[in-house]
Amino acid sequence: DTAVSQTPKYLVTQMGNDKSIKCEQNLGHDTMYWYKQDSKKFLKIMFSYNNKELIINETVPNRFSPKSPDKAHLNLHINSLELGDSAVYFCASSQTQGQTQGAQYFGPGTRLLVL
Amino acid sequence: GESVGLHLPTLSVQEGDNSIINCAYSNSASDYFIWYKQESGKGPQFIIDIRSNMDKRQGQRVTVLLNKTVKHLSLQIAATQPGDSAVYFCAESHTGNFNKFYFGSGTKLNVKP
Repeated sequence: DTAVSQTPKYLVTQMGNDKSIKCEQNLGHDTMYWYKQDSKKFLKIMFSYNNKELIINETVPNRFSPKSPDKAHLNLHINSLELGDSAVYFCASSQTQGQTQGAQYFGPGTRLLVL
Repeated sequence: GESVGLHLPTLSVQEGDNSIINCAYSNSASDYFIWYKQESGKGPQFIIDIRSNMDKRQGQRVTVLLNKTVKHLSLQIAATQPGDSAVYFCAESHTGNFNKFYFGSGTKLNVKP
């Protein structure tokens, strides 16, 4: 009964490969996010989708492409992986009421290591 | 971009003492704030939130104080327990910046038994 789940938990891959991370939430929220946490624990938002529509797209290389097939899922595909992509990637979700945001609930993270 | 929080400092407290974790933010338009707890190997966990129309909000063993004049937020943990050891993040957002939260760099809390 995990609220926000991500797969895989660990991902080790070679430079240049393409990989995907999946996220699912069962909270009934309408907004989902991807965050990147670096080795210094700094959390930075990458993307946000509201009702399957992209609403936040921070300065992220276009090698990163999010996809939201429905409100409960937000996947992240990364092309041509680079060493600097190594980080922990967190998915989160929240419920929005008009212009007011609700608290974000995070998944357990995907630890990506690019060799 | 926004500037929230400090470089990762560490706070060490004795079990049973009260802890106070501080956070500064730079955007005076911010109107919604959240404190998160992140244990090693896990995702951030929601602790408590506060909107800008309030100065104080209490939860179970936790209190958040908001001082909009100096753009400062604090998290007070009463009777700190070993299970409180984690990195604590503040996050801020404002209504005109739809769902975009900016996170501080975090404070590591060590609770000594």
